[in-house]
Amino acid sequence: EAGVTQSPTHLIKTRGQQATLRCSPISGHTSVYWYQQALGLGLQFLLWYDEGEERNRGNFPPRFSGRQFPNYSSELNVNALELEDSALYLCASSQQWSGANVLTFGAGSRLTVL
Amino acid sequence: GIQVEQSPPDLILQEGANSTLRCNFSDSVNNLQWFHQNPWGQLINLFYIPSGTKQNGRLSATTVATERYSLLYISSSQTTDSGVYFCAVSLNFGNEKLTFGTGTRLTIIP
Repeated sequence: EAGVTQSPTHLIKTRGQQATLRCSPISGHTSVYWYQQALGLGLQFLLWYDEGEERNRGNFPPRFSGRQFPNYSSELNVNALELEDSALYLCASSQQWSGANVLTFGAGSRLTVL
Repeated sequence: GIQVEQSPPDLILQEGANSTLRCNFSDSVNNLQWFHQNPWGQLINLFYIPSGTKQNGRLSATTVATERYSLLYISSSQTTDSGVYFCAVSLNFGNEKLTFGTGTRLTIIP
């Protein structure tokens, strides 16, 4: 069974540009979560999608947005990039009906803003 | 929001030693997970343990939900155990985002 896959692995952008990160959940998982991990710091919750709807959002500005597609894959968009957006972006998936909401993470996308 | 604190922040041990990592949380939780982040950034789920005790090989975990803490035990440490250990919790059902602790960085010296 394939795990959570994220692309691209690495992305280099300049200030003011837009970045798009992608995530494919484990087959059968309907929930996707996005987290940001700046260098040397912990994980900060960004967004939670379930069944195509945004269910919860972390304390991030509106230029961080995303969506979930009918096949449950997800996209994270970051507009008007700033230097402090440089971070590892981690995606996780889970099955909401399982009773135990166990998150499985992908390998991450490392975004560098110059 | 819920606060999650982990201790110690850093731990350096010789190969073969045992260790105990602690996670304290400020509110009742319905979900608690322990993760290991390897040097390449990959987060691996170790335990789903909102209460009780579980064991998996050299690792075991105990959560005392009524006292709002969880412990992760690592026995006979190996260099591959190095990395950052996070606990993460979520509140009541319907608020499923996991809030991560500050992490414990474990370094195992050969």
